[in-house]
Amino acid sequence: DQQVKQNSPSLSVQEGRISILNCDYTNSMFDYFLWYKKYPAEGPTFLISISSIKDKNEDGRFTVFLNKSAKHLSLHIVPSQPGDSAVYFCAAPSQGGSEKLVFGKGTKLTVNP
Amino acid sequence: DGGITQSPKYLFRKEGQNVTLSCEQNLNHDAMYWYRQDPGQGLRLIYYSQIVNDFQKGDIAEGYSVSREKKESFPLTVTSAQKNPTAFYLCASSIIWTAYGYTFGSGTRLTVV
Repeated sequence: DQQVKQNSPSLSVQEGRISILNCDYTNSMFDYFLWYKKYPAEGPTFLISISSIKDKNEDGRFTVFLNKSAKHLSLHIVPSQPGDSAVYFCAAPSQGGSEKLVFGKGTKLTVNP
Repeated sequence: DGGITQSPKYLFRKEGQNVTLSCEQNLNHDAMYWYRQDPGQGLRLIYYSQIVNDFQKGDIAEGYSVSREKKESFPLTVTSAQKNPTAFYLCASSIIWTAYGYTFGSGTRLTVV
């Protein structure tokens, strides 16, 4: 039973436009969320995180929004660049700490020049 | 520089053989993890270890074995009992309760021939 769901396997946007990647979760005990970015044949790298005490966290072109009542978070990338083309994973610590992250299935973002 | 190293990057195995994937970290992290990535499946946890000489099964441990004799090392053995071993394997490490989750290695692509 997936606790973290990314229902869009792929997303294609034009360079300069906004990319919005979505993530839903089922466990209301989750209190921290992370986004990872992964290029082919490489390990994922940490991108941005958000605590449940916040509803927004921003880092440069990347902003994550959290809607606890809807159990939904989204990653916004503005403006999108071709180098952003990668698979993005949403994750949450399963035990309330950093151990044992639970990952979504990922969304493959393609940014077209 | 501190980091996590997986070797080899590519590995070919004949059916019926056991193979061992190496994972070494010099980050002084307590916890280490093995994930498997398949297309459309996201990252699935195989085994994890929070301290030396102790490890726990993840969601898909059948056909795999691990050891944690040293803090720096967490090798994964893919046994002949694993029915579909062809996949991309990722090792990760973390300090417990860190805000940044895992540091991942660059992965090993295992192919059964």
